[in-house]
Amino acid sequence: DSGVTQTPKHLITATGQRVTLRCSPRSGDLSVYWYQQSLDQGLQFLIQYYNGEERAKGNILERFSAQQFPDLHSELNLSSLELGDSALYFCASSVDRGGGNTIYFGEGSWLTVV
Amino acid sequence: GNSVTQMEGPVTLSEEAFLTINCTYTATGYPSLFWYVQYPGEGLQLLLKATKADDKGSNKGFEATYRKETTSFHLEKGSVQVSDSAVYFCALRPGYSSASKIIFGSGTRLSIRP
Repeated sequence: DSGVTQTPKHLITATGQRVTLRCSPRSGDLSVYWYQQSLDQGLQFLIQYYNGEERAKGNILERFSAQQFPDLHSELNLSSLELGDSALYFCASSVDRGGGNTIYFGEGSWLTVV
Repeated sequence: GNSVTQMEGPVTLSEEAFLTINCTYTATGYPSLFWYVQYPGEGLQLLLKATKADDKGSNKGFEATYRKETTSFHLEKGSVQVSDSAVYFCALRPGYSSASKIIFGSGTRLSIRP
């Protein structure tokens, strides 16, 4: 158990819909990262938040957005869903005080768009 | 830029065989290096890490040594088991920022025959 909690674990929804994935980081971790893992694209970095502020943005679509709340949990919002958005979405967290800190991953949220 | 290249799979071995999964990296400065493992149907787990040159990370019989001269972090295990069947990801985290994202290789699928 990494200490990073993601909900829901599995989600099936229709095209055009909107979903929210939730992540609770490890206690004390300030950074939250979101990654997407699909069969053909491998692990893609989406976005990073550090202590409530956006720190880095990767290959995140405009239909997707995220935020980190004052209690440090984070949500990833996916809207106007398409079949190609079906993937495993990982949240990860790290304490990020000084370099070389390990990033710990949750078990992921499986999203299937039908 | 920063990148990770690891050997393509799938790799199929018999139980008790010796395992090497090659990983090389390109990075500025002094990155931290990681191996993550993803068992079937599960999330990413940290397997081992090394934060500076000549460090050796080890866990569950797996080892990898941070070689700055060859920019490599090859994963090895002396005697693999069926339970080691999984996808292995080599990754780096740049050292220039305390909150930098982790960069993954494409993953190597390992299958162990009884």
